[in-house]
Amino acid sequence: GQNIDQPTEMTATEGAIVQINCTYQTSGFNGLFWYQQHAGEAPTFLSYNVLDGLEEKGRFSSFLSRSKGYSYLLLKELQMKDSASYLCAVRDSGSARQLTFGSGTQLTVLP
Amino acid sequence: EAGVVQSPRYKIIEKKQPVAFWCNPISGHNTLYWYLQNLGQGPELLIRYENEEAVDDSQLPKDRFSAERLKGVDSTLKIQPAELGDSAVYLCASSWNTEAFFGQGTRLTVV
Repeated sequence: GQNIDQPTEMTATEGAIVQINCTYQTSGFNGLFWYQQHAGEAPTFLSYNVLDGLEEKGRFSSFLSRSKGYSYLLLKELQMKDSASYLCAVRDSGSARQLTFGSGTQLTVLP
Repeated sequence: EAGVVQSPRYKIIEKKQPVAFWCNPISGHNTLYWYLQNLGQGPELLIRYENEEAVDDSQLPKDRFSAERLKGVDSTLKIQPAELGDSAVYLCASSWNTEAFFGQGTRLTVV
């Protein structure tokens, strides 16, 4: 089974930088995903990490440490439209390939 | 290219009535997921298909829920009979190799 923890809520100011942490415990690991979900909409894919290190994609970066069971999503130059829920998800290894989601972190960007 | 298509977007039914949701995944995606999402929570896996085979249905309440994916393409999820606690958003997602792509979901309200 898998256990994924992330903060429930975070608040930040427009133009600032925010880091959303995710810790996980899994019997097997085959990748960690970050999704963004605006209220009433479907989750949309942001990033994927399977090896240790930092993946950068524009204003968003994601980091993974497999030995620590830890990831973070870094959002730079925050904009009002970044207010959303950010979901951390872990995929099992082997043939299972189960994709399990955390409860999500609700980010509010203030002017 | 069209994304994952779900219908209906919204459904209101009385308890004890049956309901069905339909999903058309992205063409060529062999993996299909059905998730349930409650307000303020992350998606919870109900069932996962690899082509037409259900490979993970351990979280599906089999006394009232059923699913099928004929010919390994479209899928339907059925609830019979529905209970008040089934009110939630039902999300369908598909993937080929890495990230999963989500449909807009069906918001079910049981009254």
